[in-house]
Amino acid sequence: QKEVEQDPGPLSVPEGAIVSLNCTYSNSAFQYFMWYRQYSRKGPELLMYTYSSGNKEDGRFTAQVDKSSKYISLFIRDSQPSDSATYLCAGGIQGAQKLVFGQGTRLTINP
Amino acid sequence: DAGVIQSPRHEVTEMGQEVTLRCKPISGHNSLFWYRQTMMRGLELLIYFNNNVPIDDSGMPEDRFSAKMPNASFSTLKIQPSEPRDSAVYFCASSFAVTIEAFFGQGTRLTVV
Repeated sequence: QKEVEQDPGPLSVPEGAIVSLNCTYSNSAFQYFMWYRQYSRKGPELLMYTYSSGNKEDGRFTAQVDKSSKYISLFIRDSQPSDSATYLCAGGIQGAQKLVFGQGTRLTINP
Repeated sequence: DAGVIQSPRHEVTEMGQEVTLRCKPISGHNSLFWYRQTMMRGLELLIYFNNNVPIDDSGMPEDRFSAKMPNASFSTLKIQPSEPRDSAVYFCASSFAVTIEAFFGQGTRLTVV
């Protein structure tokens, strides 16, 4: 079993829709949870991160972690065509500096 | 800052040839990571360095792969001999040791024919 599981999609939604991207993880030691966004033929870039459980909001993006169920979510409100990218979730342990990534979900927002 | 710089951006080589990928981390960062990304396996950590010292190379697939970091501003990933199954995008990333946020380069797209 992979430490971080993510449905690779692809996921296609109309512009303006609310998008929900999800991951599950198996390593109970994970303390940090990250979401990276990767545009086609580019390197991943950090979108948001959360520490432990709870929610974090940044503009149209909300990251949510439920450690009891080992579930990580990213919500995108009022989705835009510019949000079309692959979204990768990752877990990490403080002090270990090693991130474990999910496979990535390819998202397309249709105008 | 120019960010993490990788070269070459694209590499096409024949099976059996040696391939060397290069990375210049962000100035001041003291952790460096090499990842490989494929459609089938996603983004996998191959090896990472702290203060130029390899800390975890458990992701290196086999002895054909080797990585070095001779100084704080340069690292190489070498594949010798290369095989078609090594075809992938190889990313280098760097970070400050006290944070977990990694900054990625643009990647090297390797094709072994």
